[in-house]
Amino acid sequence: EDKVVQSPLSLVVHEGDTVTLNCSYEVTNFRSLLWYKQEKKAPTFLFMLTSSGIEKKSGRLSSILDKKELFSILNITATQTGDSAVYLCAVTTSGTYKYIFGTGTRLKVLA
Amino acid sequence: IAGITQAPTSQILAAGRRMTLRCTQDMRHNAMYWYRQDLGLGLRLIHYSNTAGTTGKGEVPDGYSVSRANTDDFPLTLASAVPSQTSVYFCASAPEHRADEQYFGPGTRLTVT
Repeated sequence: EDKVVQSPLSLVVHEGDTVTLNCSYEVTNFRSLLWYKQEKKAPTFLFMLTSSGIEKKSGRLSSILDKKELFSILNITATQTGDSAVYLCAVTTSGTYKYIFGTGTRLKVLA
Repeated sequence: IAGITQAPTSQILAAGRRMTLRCTQDMRHNAMYWYRQDLGLGLRLIHYSNTAGTTGKGEVPDGYSVSRANTDDFPLTLASAVPSQTSVYFCASAPEHRADEQYFGPGTRLTVT
């Protein structure tokens, strides 16, 4: 059965800390892995990864994919209270189209 | 309109009633999607449409139907609502050639009593 597992389930840090969020997956016909940030309402797109070892960066956020070990990490450096959110990982497949989300990591950044 | 909108924002519905959730985007995105989000289960794909005139089933399609008559609109219909369909429903769209990079609407909170 296809699945996406995120860890930890939740995390509390202080401003300025660096955090690493994990996403592992088991799917047939992997196509891409995506990260989203969900605050109060709709998820917002962060990154899409398709190739191993190529880091994507946006400001203090970065992400990398390992297709051999079937996981991705999302790093946030110098965290701010505005980074508090649920971070969602999703994997898509080709062939039979699937878009599978993990249940998310809830990050709380304390001032 | 800028982006993707959904209506209504929230709704309480009696079991057995028919309900259509509306989704409209003005970004000329080809692909559109419907998800439900439930505590502990995350987001699950209900139906999708790669382009106007085509639709496909996602992970949890039973009890739901969709249509895609044009590029902008992708309504989701519950023919006869049941309490297990109580959820937050998100519509999303994605541009051509980047179909996995989805942009989400604000959601509809539906309660079936």
